[in-house]
Amino acid sequence: QSALTQPASVSGSPGQSITISCTGTSSDVGAYDYVSWYQQYPGKAPRLIIYEVSNRPSGVSNRFSGSKSGNTASLTISGLQAEDDADYHCSSYVNTIKRVFGTGTKVTVL
Amino acid sequence: EVQLLESGGGLVQPGGSLRLSCAASGFTFSTNDMAWVRQAPGRGLEWVSTITASGLNAYYADSLKGRFKVSRDNSKNTLYLQMDSLRAEDTAVYFCAKNLRASASDYWGQGTLVTVSS
Repeated sequence: QSALTQPASVSGSPGQSITISCTGTSSDVGAYDYVSWYQQYPGKAPRLIIYEVSNRPSGVSNRFSGSKSGNTASLTISGLQAEDDADYHCSSYVNTIKRVFGTGTKVTVL
Repeated sequence: EVQLLESGGGLVQPGGSLRLSCAASGFTFSTNDMAWVRQAPGRGLEWVSTITASGLNAYYADSLKGRFKVSRDNSKNTLYLQMDSLRAEDTAVYFCAKNLRASASDYWGQGTLVTVSS
């Protein structure tokens, strides 16, 4: 199972919106509405910010939103803030209960 | 408060074995699927294994080729990962995680570092 494809880096200025893509295949991203997104600071554990394509866990800012079209899922961060400077990982259900993660994206707030 | 605390990592020679543990608290461990996810230095996350709440079913990444085995003791609120025939490419931080339904993990431990080197 190959990793989902994410851009290596995305950057934006405070207040701007950015979008991170996560491209898979018709066997993973395209097959299920089970895409999740994680935020990770260096040396820390990942934090779930989006599950099942567009749902936010309690406590996650509504500046984070998720969507999906075909084999590509997207994470949008609106009103970019300094604290959003982190790594972001997508993940998709594959089959049965297996999962695959993306290659990861470094978000830089300029 | 949900807490997951991994232990058991360390330096091991190629071909060696290691058993990781993850002590869980703050939620009903026996009713939640659990997962192991690893992250090699400077790399992305990689799903390793998921075990169902009862422990009856376990699933693994194809790349592991049967070298790892996940288990759990619901009476001790503890998750395990037995790793055999370790290779240099298994060097990573190993995280245990509580699953939110089947497709996402909503709580993660701080990770334990496994280094495979001679």
